[in-house]
Amino acid sequence: SQQGEEDPQALSIQEGENATMNCSYKTSINNLQWYRQNSGRGLVHLILIRSNEREKHSGRLRVTLDTSKKSSSLLITASRAADTASYFCATDPPSNTGKLIFGQGTTLQVKP
Amino acid sequence: GAGVSQTPSNKVTEKGKYVELRCDPISGHTALYWYRQSLGQGPEFLIYFQGTGAADDSGLPNDRFFAVRPEGSVSTLKIQRTERGDSAVYLCASSLTARANTEAFFGQGTRLTVV
Repeated sequence: SQQGEEDPQALSIQEGENATMNCSYKTSINNLQWYRQNSGRGLVHLILIRSNEREKHSGRLRVTLDTSKKSSSLLITASRAADTASYFCATDPPSNTGKLIFGQGTTLQVKP
Repeated sequence: GAGVSQTPSNKVTEKGKYVELRCDPISGHTALYWYRQSLGQGPEFLIYFQGTGAADDSGLPNDRFFAVRPEGSVSTLKIQRTERGDSAVYLCASSLTARANTEAFFGQGTRLTVV
């Protein structure tokens, strides 16, 4: 079963604009991770935020985590056409096995 | 190899047939995970191995699905008596250890189509 709900399901923006995607989850977590997927194939790890962290940056990516609301957001600044992909949040529950529970994803289209 | 390798990349099979999907993890990674992704959905956990043993197979949908990792490296996901509902992308991931906060690296997946 999938734990996360992602919002929006689809997002279309112009190059240069910022894109924000949200993720909500149901159970407690060790960490939350964001992945990117092109063309429905391999997943690329973007960023991991631990449960005791509130915000994390990596290049043009900014992730926030609010454990009290069980939610996270991914912000991509100054988007590029190459950012067009599906983005998934995944939670790592406290089973300490590294097993991930994914949301349903947000499909981002960046128009040149 | 540099990353997780999955073969074949695409597999078309007839309903009722048996299929095997292979995963070569990153060398030295002791943890290996299988996920299944249906169209328009996020990946769903199937099974994970720590070394040679299946530590958690709670995601396997039924007893037609089985996975092995006999030498603690390559893993094979086996599906018997395939059904059209088994059509999906099967993703494999490996990580250095099966512990929290350890990054998992995914392969490109095997797209299985049952006709």
